[in-house]
Amino acid sequence: AQKVTQAQTEISVVEKEDVTLDCVYETRDTTYYLFWYKQPPSGELVFLIRRNSFDEQNEISGRYSWNFQKSTSSFNFTITASQVVDSAVYFCALRSGGYQKVTFGTGTKLQVIP
Amino acid sequence: DVKVTQSSRYLVKRTGEKVFLECVQDMDHENMFWYRQDPGLGLRLIYFSYDVKMKEKGDIPEGYSVSREKKERFSLILESASTNQTSMYLCASSLGIRRTEAFFGQGTRLTVV
Repeated sequence: AQKVTQAQTEISVVEKEDVTLDCVYETRDTTYYLFWYKQPPSGELVFLIRRNSFDEQNEISGRYSWNFQKSTSSFNFTITASQVVDSAVYFCALRSGGYQKVTFGTGTKLQVIP
Repeated sequence: DVKVTQSSRYLVKRTGEKVFLECVQDMDHENMFWYRQDPGLGLRLIYFSYDVKMKEKGDIPEGYSVSREKKERFSLILESASTNQTSMYLCASSLGIRRTEAFFGQGTRLTVV
């Protein structure tokens, strides 16, 4: 069985603040993939990043960075200097082993206040 | 760019009606998925398909069926719509094993009255 927990239901920050979205996962497989998606108010989920279980390197893309720690089964997402356009629901997801099925967390709604 | 297109953005149907939700992708992806999204529950997988005419049940298949007669098209069928099927329905597709991220359509907000 696989599970993804996003304990933060809603977060509000003031523009230009940094914010970290938490993601904790559970799986018994040694090979797995983790994802982050963004769902803006328009509704379409947008793929942000994929990380496989063999690659614990952190990743930075502009104002976005991801911290993958197998020791704590976490894959956290940080937005630096947040902007109003970052307001969205963010989902963390997990795919284990040979399965095509992806398990999503319940999402974190981020509101960036101008 | 990958394009996943769902036939309707908003749909209102009556209880007991048979409802078809259509999804088309243009990138020759093997895998296609149907999810429903409800507040506080995130995305839950209804069905997925890894090839033409192949399908697998997801976490919540009850009350739904699917059809995949062509690689690019994946249909979700509500045999007899009920009010508890009022939800946002999201279709997604992904390439095979190596490229595992899914690309989503814009969603269909279905209301059953």
